[in-house]
Amino acid sequence: AQSVTQLGSHVSVSEGALVLLRCNYSSSVPPYLFWYVQYPNQGLQLLLKYTSAATLVKGINGFEAEFKKSETSFHLTKPSAHMSDAAEYFCASSYRGSTLGRLYFGRGTQLTVWP
Amino acid sequence: GAGVSQSPSNKVTEKGKDVELRCDPISGHTALYWYRQRLGQGLEFLIYFQGNSAPDKSGLPSDRFSAERTGESVSTLTIQRTQQEDSAVYLCASSLEGRGFADTQYFGPGTRLTVL
Repeated sequence: AQSVTQLGSHVSVSEGALVLLRCNYSSSVPPYLFWYVQYPNQGLQLLLKYTSAATLVKGINGFEAEFKKSETSFHLTKPSAHMSDAAEYFCASSYRGSTLGRLYFGRGTQLTVWP
Repeated sequence: GAGVSQSPSNKVTEKGKDVELRCDPISGHTALYWYRQRLGQGLEFLIYFQGNSAPDKSGLPSDRFSAERTGESVSTLTIQRTQQEDSAVYLCASSLEGRGFADTQYFGPGTRLTVL
């Protein structure tokens, strides 16, 4: 079975501190991996995605993520948090062999940024 | 250009009533997905439409749930005889072609359904 696990439903950091949001996947086939962000009362917005071209993926707003097959991880990082980064973040995956493009989501991580 | 839009943004209904949720995808997007987000949980896939092909309904939780899409335009998700466990945010997403497993899906703001 395919699944995505996000460790930590809530993460709090100070403005300027490193942001690290954890995501692990479980899959018997190579996955495609995504990070989405959801601001209050808005739809999900794609931050970045891994499609096997490069293991280090850079996204919007200074975020990046690294695919580590040995650790089955795709953690999201940002060197310096900004107040505007406060939102909910979702890790998701898709797989060949499942419904075309269907995304499997983690439960989300709420990021709080303190001034 | 306009993004994915959904209506209503909020819906409160009584147990046992039927509800209809609407999704307008981005113009030109042939693939459309419905997901459900229950409190404290990740998004659950419900149904997928691709062009004029038969939809993939494998994620629908019960036969009270149905969805339609006319061509490559508007989709409606219908829940009959609503139950309290149907309370959730229902999200719609569209993608340009839906032919690739790495296609970017663009999400609407969702409809928050509350069943009393």
